[in-house]
Amino acid sequence: AQSVAQPEDQVNVAEGNPLTVKCTYSVSGNPYLFWYVQYPNRGLQFLLKYITGDNLVKGSYGFEAEFNKSQTSFHLKKPSALVSDSALYFCAVRGHYTGNQFYFGTGTSLTVIP
Amino acid sequence: KAGVTQTPRYLIKTRGQQVTLSCSPISGHRSVSWYQQTPGQGLQFLFEYFSETQRNKGNFPGRFSGRQFSNSRSEMNVSTLELGDSALYLCASSFRVGGELFFGEGSRLTVL
Repeated sequence: AQSVAQPEDQVNVAEGNPLTVKCTYSVSGNPYLFWYVQYPNRGLQFLLKYITGDNLVKGSYGFEAEFNKSQTSFHLKKPSALVSDSALYFCAVRGHYTGNQFYFGTGTSLTVIP
Repeated sequence: KAGVTQTPRYLIKTRGQQVTLSCSPISGHRSVSWYQQTPGQGLQFLFEYFSETQRNKGNFPGRFSGRQFSNSRSEMNVSTLELGDSALYLCASSFRVGGELFFGEGSRLTVL
């Protein structure tokens, strides 16, 4: 079965510190992995994706994510957090053999403390 | 390029009523997906349409239905509303089935 896990409901980090939002996945075959961000009362905005190639993917707003096949993880990272990064973050996976359906994690609420 | 447009943004209904939500995808996108977002369940996949055909369906009761028109605009309908249907309903479009999703702002439904 295909699934995504975001083990932390809430992550707090001080402004200027590096941040990590964790994601692990389970999918048949090679995964397509995505990160989205959601601000209050808004839809989801695309941050970055991994399809193939370099394991370190760079995305919007200074975010990056590292694909680790052996650990089936795709953690979102940023070297220096901003207060404006406070939002809800979703990891998503799409497999090759699931009718191309996306599976989303339950989301991680990130709070950057000034 | 205009983004995904969902209407209405907010609506209040009472139990037993029915509701229709509309989604206009990004121009050129032929795939439209619908998701239900609630605090406890996260994003739950409802269905996906491509070229007026339902390609995927999530695990929701038959009260939830959808359709897609020839111009790729999509509607979803919920009949016999229940309190538990209160949620943010998100529409997402993509150029092809399984392609990167672009989300609308959502329609927030409150059932009283």
